[in-house]
Amino acid sequence: AQTVTQSQPEMSVQEAETVTLSCTYDTSESDYYLFWYKQPPSRQMILVIRQEAYKQQNATENRFSVNFQKAAKSFSLKISDSQLGDAAMYFCVTGYSTLTFGKGTMLLVSP
Amino acid sequence: NAGVMQNPRHLVRRRGQEARLRCSPMKGHSHVYWYRQLPEEGLKFMVYLQKENIIDESGMPKERFSAEFPKEGPSILRIQQVVRGDSAAYFCASSPSSGWRDTQYFGPGTRLTVL
Repeated sequence: AQTVTQSQPEMSVQEAETVTLSCTYDTSESDYYLFWYKQPPSRQMILVIRQEAYKQQNATENRFSVNFQKAAKSFSLKISDSQLGDAAMYFCVTGYSTLTFGKGTMLLVSP
Repeated sequence: NAGVMQNPRHLVRRRGQEARLRCSPMKGHSHVYWYRQLPEEGLKFMVYLQKENIIDESGMPKERFSAEFPKEGPSILRIQQVVRGDSAAYFCASSPSSGWRDTQYFGPGTRLTVL
């Protein structure tokens, strides 16, 4: 069984600032992936970044990076130089073949 | 390469009717997953299918819900005798193969409203 906990229902950030979204998870799998997906008002689910659990190096995609602490089962997302288009619901996700989603963190970006 | 396609995007049904949701995976993808999203919630896994096979249906309600992924054509999620509690957004995702090696790519979802 897998669980994902996002303790921040909502976060706010100003344009050009940096924000970190928290996530903890629990899984019995030995091999798994971790993901952050974003869901803007269009409701389309968009992959932001993924991390292989067997890799120690933190994944980075342009302005998005993760802090993966495997022993602590923590997987936070850092967004640098925030943009208005980053405003969305962000879901922390883990899984092997089927995915388990957290409840999401709504990110608000102000000018 | 077209993304995952779902239709209809919006579906309205009265209680007791049937709802059929369609999902066409990305080209080259043979694995399909269905998820349901209730308001203010994350997505919840329902069923995982390969062509002509149900691999994992542990998240699907035992009654009224069924899914198929035929050899030809889209995957279908069918809900019989819908009730108001079935109102939700239903997302389909696809991947080239199973397991942790492949990312799932999501369709735009079908929003089902039961009156």
